Amino acid sequence: SYVLTQPPSVSVAPGKAARITCGGNNIGSKNVHWYQQKPGQAPVLVVYDDRDRPSGIPERFSGSNSGNTATLTISRVEAGDEAKYYCQVCDSSCDHWVFGGGTKLTVL
Amino acid sequence: EVQLVESGGGLVKPGGSLRLSCAASGFTFSNAWMSWVRQAPGKGLEWVGHIKSKTDGGTTDYAAPVKGRFTISRDDSKNTLYLQMNSLKTEDTAVYYCTRDRYNWNWALDYWGQGTLVTVSS
Repeated sequence: SYVLTQPPSVSVAPGKAARITCGGNNIGSKNVHWYQQKPGQAPVLVVYDDRDRPSGIPERFSGSNSGNTATLTISRVEAGDEAKYYCQVCDSSCDHWVFGGGTKLTVL
Repeated sequence: EVQLVESGGGLVKPGGSLRLSCAASGFTFSNAWMSWVRQAPGKGLEWVGHIKSKTDGGTTDYAAPVKGRFTISRDDSKNTLYLQMNSLKTEDTAVYYCTRDRYNWNWALDYWGQGTLVTVSS
């Protein structure tokens, strides 16, 4: 089955950019979606199809995907961005969905 | 406004059964693919399975850990999604979320319910 690898944690100072990676075999050929989950809350979709944002998601959230790595970038990080972030794709036959293990973003 | 409201969670003994429901509103439920996603305490997200719309065949797919034990179904007349869980194991303890799979966003899960907690323990 397809495996997605995320770093367990990323730390960033307020106002700086945070980059969260999601590694997978030839992930650049897939459509990657990103979710934000704050403690005690349901996940929220923040980026879909590698780089698009649902309505209501700030422009500070952006994504890219190439080769074996997809990246979620949060520019001008705020304290309210502190959360766990998950990437998701469909597997090789696209009949199963797969999540990465999640990355906890800490705002210093 | 899209709303997904799960219910049916609770405490069940190993080997027992439970049925979760997800009441949907604010969109054309019959046209939607729907998924169940779970999250064990302190752990990450795990996709459980999904059901396609009837126009796309109404078929289901499941993650390996639940295949053969869990069944997803839908009642489009009631705008309700179900998850029948049989032969429950302690490792099935989790918050269970229902989600809408957005077909024109390459199946991004664009709406989530608030979740319902299932605890499997003797």
